[in-house]
Amino acid sequence: DVKVTQSSRYLVKRTGEKVFLECVQDMDHENMFWYRQDPGLGLRLIYFSYDVKMKEKGDIPEGYSVSREKKERFSLILESASTNQTSMYLCASRLNRVSFPTDTQYFGPGTRLTVL
Amino acid sequence: TQLLEQSPQFLSIQEGENLTVYCNSSSVFSSLQWYRQEPGEGPVLLVTVVTGGEVKKLKRLTFQFGDARKDSSLHITAAQPGDTGLYLCAGASPRDDKIIFGKGTRLHILP
Repeated sequence: DVKVTQSSRYLVKRTGEKVFLECVQDMDHENMFWYRQDPGLGLRLIYFSYDVKMKEKGDIPEGYSVSREKKERFSLILESASTNQTSMYLCASRLNRVSFPTDTQYFGPGTRLTVL
Repeated sequence: TQLLEQSPQFLSIQEGENLTVYCNSSSVFSSLQWYRQEPGEGPVLLVTVVTGGEVKKLKRLTFQFGDARKDSSLHITAAQPGDTGLYLCAGASPRDDKIIFGKGTRLHILP
């Protein structure tokens, strides 16, 4: 079974802090994604990566950056956390672009981030 | 911009009743997926439909892809409390390899 793990289930940070959210998948997937999920807005794509060292902006990249130094790990960075970044953050992985559009995206359990 | 509209947003029904959730768009999708998300967890894939008019069954859940591949429905027969959760539809764009998510239907089955 594919497993996507996220470093924290709950996180509380202060405005202006630099925040790191880590995601690890164990199935050698090439593609990885970061979403945020907010009530009434659904899932919104922040950044994604097709492979190691690659990154692409999603629909709402402002205020975020990412790092993919190893294939299994995709990190989301909030450079200077703000209260409007309080949200549920979900990481997902997918085998590769070739398997799209029928392949499964496997999601982690999410990190609920609160910025005070 | 491709959008997926889900309806209803919220649904609360008694155990044993039937229900249908809809996912509509004006755009064509290469495939349509349905996910279920339970509180405190990430979404989990239930089904993928690819062909226009395709119908797939998963126990008491029936999924249909519209003939024009612009819409989909999820029908649950004899709902159980274990069906409670957030149901998300997600369409695969034919223009790029992005997946577009609907905002979800929050379903609550009362025992």
